[in-house]
Amino acid sequence: QQQVKQSPQSLIVQKGGISIINCAYENTAFDYFPWYQQFPGKGPALLIAIRPDVSEKKEGRFTISFNKSAKQFSLHIMDSQPGDSATYFCAAKREYGGATNKLIFGTGTLLAVQP
Amino acid sequence: NAGVMQNPRHLVRRRGQEARLRCSPMKGHSHVYWYRQLPEEGLKFMVYLQKENIIDESGMPKERFSAEFPKEGPSILRIQQVVRGDSAAYFCASSPLTSGQETQYFGPGTRLLVL
Repeated sequence: QQQVKQSPQSLIVQKGGISIINCAYENTAFDYFPWYQQFPGKGPALLIAIRPDVSEKKEGRFTISFNKSAKQFSLHIMDSQPGDSATYFCAAKREYGGATNKLIFGTGTLLAVQP
Repeated sequence: NAGVMQNPRHLVRRRGQEARLRCSPMKGHSHVYWYRQLPEEGLKFMVYLQKENIIDESGMPKERFSAEFPKEGPSILRIQQVVRGDSAAYFCASSPLTSGQETQYFGPGTRLLVL
């Protein structure tokens, strides 16, 4: 029930294309879903996050789509650039009603954007 | 405004030695989280601390691992009698409040190698 499943494991996209990464969760108590971007040798950096009261959130070229009934959410990177090449992690946590504040992470997607 | 600071960035230990990892949260943050990232895997929650209190240690191995966040000074993750399986990247994150809505900001990590 604590798992967050992420796919694909790796993704190759041409410059200017759309990158799509999917995640699914089991615990219906989760109510905060962030995406983190991690470059080699660095710590994860928050990219964008969504709460279940909306079905989509867009920030620049990055969009989260959220399907509460299917317990799935996805990251779309529009006009992908070589500088977007990194590992992307989805995560989930329970914000309200729990004593802990821990993030449950997916296993990551290694994105390579080819010039 | 300095981000989350971790030191050392790289640590090499021989089997049986102790490893001590330090984390200084962002200014104004009083909550610290430790996560472990094994090679080719996602981040796994270890422990959540507030000043002088352990809030959630459900992800900590039962033996050899301990964590503290004293009233003064950085948070410390201590691994006694290290084994090769402890080789991983250890990330610290911090957040400002306990209401649950605050983003966790990650440090650059400490890469531990056990020989």
